[in-house]
Amino acid sequence: AQSVAQPEDQVNVAEGNPLTVKCTYSVSGNPYLFWYVQYPNRGLQFLLKYITGDNLVKGSYGFEAEFNKSQTSFHLKKPSALVSDSALYFCAVRDPTDSWGKLQFGAGTQVVVTP
Amino acid sequence: KAGVTQTPRYLIKTRGQQVTLSCSPISGHRSVSWYQQTPGQGLQFLFEYFSETQRNKGNFPGRFSGRQFSNSRSEMNVSTLELGDSALYLCASSLGRTSYEQYFGPGTRLTVT
Repeated sequence: AQSVAQPEDQVNVAEGNPLTVKCTYSVSGNPYLFWYVQYPNRGLQFLLKYITGDNLVKGSYGFEAEFNKSQTSFHLKKPSALVSDSALYFCAVRDPTDSWGKLQFGAGTQVVVTP
Repeated sequence: KAGVTQTPRYLIKTRGQQVTLSCSPISGHRSVSWYQQTPGQGLQFLFEYFSETQRNKGNFPGRFSGRQFSNSRSEMNVSTLELGDSALYLCASSLGRTSYEQYFGPGTRLTVT
């Protein structure tokens, strides 16, 4: 069975500093991995995905993520955080053997960026 | 293009009642998935529909059901509501099997009293 873990409930960072949100996964075969962000009272917004290819994936709003197969990780990064990046971030995995799009989400990491 | 729309946005129901939530996908998207979000359980997959057929189902009791119409709009129904059904219900749409991104609506906040 597939699973995804986000070890940190909350990440605090000062504006302008690098931001990292951690994610590890467990899935048979090569995973499909995703990052979503949720602002208060809003749905989830797609940031980026890894399906295959280059291990460094670039996404929306200056975010990127690095796929590391040996460490089964897919950490989200941003070189310089903004106050507006404060939100709830979810890592998700999709089983590549599943023909359809069921996503398994991590518990979420609250990011707080202070001015 | 208009995004995924969900109606109603907020709903208050009493235990034992039933409720129907609606989701209109992005134009051209044929796959609709439903997720339940609660503070305790996080985001959990309910079901996925494509071409009016349920393609995938999560681990929820039979009180949770759904359907998809020929225009790809989808509804989910919860019968005999329980307090634990209070949640944010999110709908997501995508082009179909080979499309990896799912686009989420704002959700319907259901409160069961």
